Amino acid sequence: DAKTTQPPSMDCAEGRAANLPCNHSTISGNEYVYWYRQIHSQGPQYIIHGLKNNETNEMASLIITEDRKSSTLILPHATLRDTAVYYCIVMSTNAGKSTFGDGTTLTVKP
Amino acid sequence: DADVTQTPRNRITKTGKRIMLECSQTKGHDRMYWYRQDPGLGLRLIYYSFDVKDINKGEISDGYSVSRQAQAKFSLSLESAIPNQTALYFCATSDIGTGNQPQHFGDGTRLSIL
Repeated sequence: DAKTTQPPSMDCAEGRAANLPCNHSTISGNEYVYWYRQIHSQGPQYIIHGLKNNETNEMASLIITEDRKSSTLILPHATLRDTAVYYCIVMSTNAGKSTFGDGTTLTVKP
Repeated sequence: DADVTQTPRNRITKTGKRIMLECSQTKGHDRMYWYRQDPGLGLRLIYYSFDVKDINKGEISDGYSVSRQAQAKFSLSLESAIPNQTALYFCATSDIGTGNQPQHFGDGTRLSIL
C-alpha cells in the first residue's frame, strides 16, 4: 500500500474554505485516494474518494493532481462541527485494505 | 455507522484475562476489519476478512485472534490481555461491489487492561 503524508495540524476560520493537503507520491495506477474524518474518538466517517478525476459530493471536493502524487480535500464553508482529524489513505480494490497515518487535526475557529 | 455494532462499548479487565470483542453488521458487506487506535495516533489494522472462509493478518496481529462466524459477525479475541493492549478498537465493513467501496466504521470499543 502506498503511504501518505499529511501536515499534523491546520486551523481554519469558520465560514472559510478549508484546504487539506495530502502527499501520496508512491501511489500505484490502481489505487484510489480516500478521505475520512474522525470527530473526538468516534468511528471514522467516510467523506469522499477518487481515482484521477476531481470529485465533489455534499460534504466536500477532492482535487487530485494530474500526476496523482498529491491531492487536496476542500471543505467549502467550514463550520465548528468540521473540527476533527482528517485521514487521507490510498487503497486498491484488490488489496481491500489500507494504512491510516496520523492524519491532520483541523481546528475550525469562530 | 449504526449498521455496524460493536459490543461492549467499554471494558475494563485485568492482565491475563481472555477478552472477546464482537462486531455485527446489517449492511450485507462481505469484507470486515478490526483496527486498533492508540491515543493521538492513527488506526492500525489488526485482522481483516474478505468472506467467511478468508482471514488475513494485518500489521499488528500478534497477541490477537479473530473468528468470522458468519457474514455479519466478526469477533476479535485477546487470549491473554496485557496492559499495552489498552486502546480503542474499531470494527469496519466494506462492500466488494463495483469500483472501490469505502469502509464503514462502528463506534468503537474502549478497552482498558489493568
